[in-house]
Amino acid sequence: DSGVTQTPKHLITATGQRVTLRCSPRSGDLSVYWYQQSLDQGLQFLIQYYNGEERAKGNILERFSAQQFPDLHSELNLSSLELGDSALYFCASSPRLAGDRSIEQFFGPGTRLTVL
Amino acid sequence: AQSVTQPDIHITVSEGASLELRCNYSYGATPYLFWYVQSPGQGLQLLLKYFSGDTLVQGIKGFEAEFKRSQSSFNLRKPSVHWSDAAEYFCAVGNNDMRFGAGTRLTVKP
Repeated sequence: DSGVTQTPKHLITATGQRVTLRCSPRSGDLSVYWYQQSLDQGLQFLIQYYNGEERAKGNILERFSAQQFPDLHSELNLSSLELGDSALYFCASSPRLAGDRSIEQFFGPGTRLTVL
Repeated sequence: AQSVTQPDIHITVSEGASLELRCNYSYGATPYLFWYVQSPGQGLQLLLKYFSGDTLVQGIKGFEAEFKRSQSSFNLRKPSVHWSDAAEYFCAVGNNDMRFGAGTRLTVKP
């Protein structure tokens, strides 16, 4: 158990809908990362937040957005869902920002999203 | 731009045999390199990491990896594979915006 929790574990929805995925980082971790894992794209970095502020952006679609709240939990919002958004979405956390040294990330169990 | 290549999509080894999983990276500066393992239906677990210093890095579960700058490689090794090592292995490079390889699926034959 990494200490990172994600809810829900599974989510089934229809095209065009909007969903929210939730992540609680490990106690004390300030940095949260979101990843998408799909069969065709592999594991892709989406976005990172540090202490409430966006720090790095990867291959995140405009239909997707995220935020980190004062209690440090994070939410990933996916809207106008398409079939191709079906994937496993992971959240990871780390204690602080990487400066000269990268900080390992601790991954949650993921949320499996199925868009029908 | 940073990137990671794992040339082997799938590897099968016999239990007790040695294992080497290949990873090649492209990175503009000093690379920060990681190996993660993912069991079916699970999240990723860090096996080991390299930041600097000794190029041979020891990790959990008996794994080790060697950083070779001249070859831009960070291959993962284990001297004797156990059936429980069957999983997907990911090499990653980077910092805040980590880049993962496509993964290598390891099958262990009894």
